[in-house]
Amino acid sequence: EVHLLESGGGLIEPGGSLRLSCAASGFIFGDYALSWIRQAPGKGLEWVSSISGSGGNTYYADSVKGRFTISRDNSKNTLYLQMDSLRVEDMGMYYCAKPEGWGWHSWGQGTLVTVSS
Amino acid sequence: SFELTQPPSVSVSPGQTANIPCSGDKLGETFICWYQQRPGQSPVLVIYQDTNRPSGIPERFSASVSGDTATLTISGTQPIDEADYYCQAWDNTRVFGGGTKLIVL
Repeated sequence: EVHLLESGGGLIEPGGSLRLSCAASGFIFGDYALSWIRQAPGKGLEWVSSISGSGGNTYYADSVKGRFTISRDNSKNTLYLQMDSLRVEDMGMYYCAKPEGWGWHSWGQGTLVTVSS
Repeated sequence: SFELTQPPSVSVSPGQTANIPCSGDKLGETFICWYQQRPGQSPVLVIYQDTNRPSGIPERFSASVSGDTATLTISGTQPIDEADYYCQAWDNTRVFGGGTKLIVL
């Protein structure tokens, strides 16, 4: 059974940095691309970033390009999201998700990021 | 940029059929997925690649695409189906629709 467990969220001031982690189990980690998807309080879902299984290819939403960096450590079965220059509009629940074909079949429980002074 | 449009809410009586539309200009050029999200929970994939249902998703969930509109259909709607539903397109931006709250009353 696929299991994704996010961590690293918390309260941070605007302009600050935070690194999220997603520990994965139940599948061959390096064989799959992974993604981060976020949800602002009371709002809809927004794709943030994706990374290929090898880590060689990364993709970002325009809203985070240049500020967020996605990476992975296949020896530790862990996905990361380094978030710099955080803004109030970055606040929300951050989910890691695993796609299979054309669909995110597995999601973690999320980690909450609060950006406030 | 590519956008997907959903109605804010759809109401249905228990046992009836609910149809949730999702429209977009380039919808026919990419695959569409549907996610269910109950309050306080993570999203769950209910339809992928336009019309396919993942294992464990009840048969009452189905979907179709016609022209610029995709539709999620829930037959014999149950109170447990009350949730937010999001369509999502696999274009370069992985765009989501704004979500539709399904009200079962």
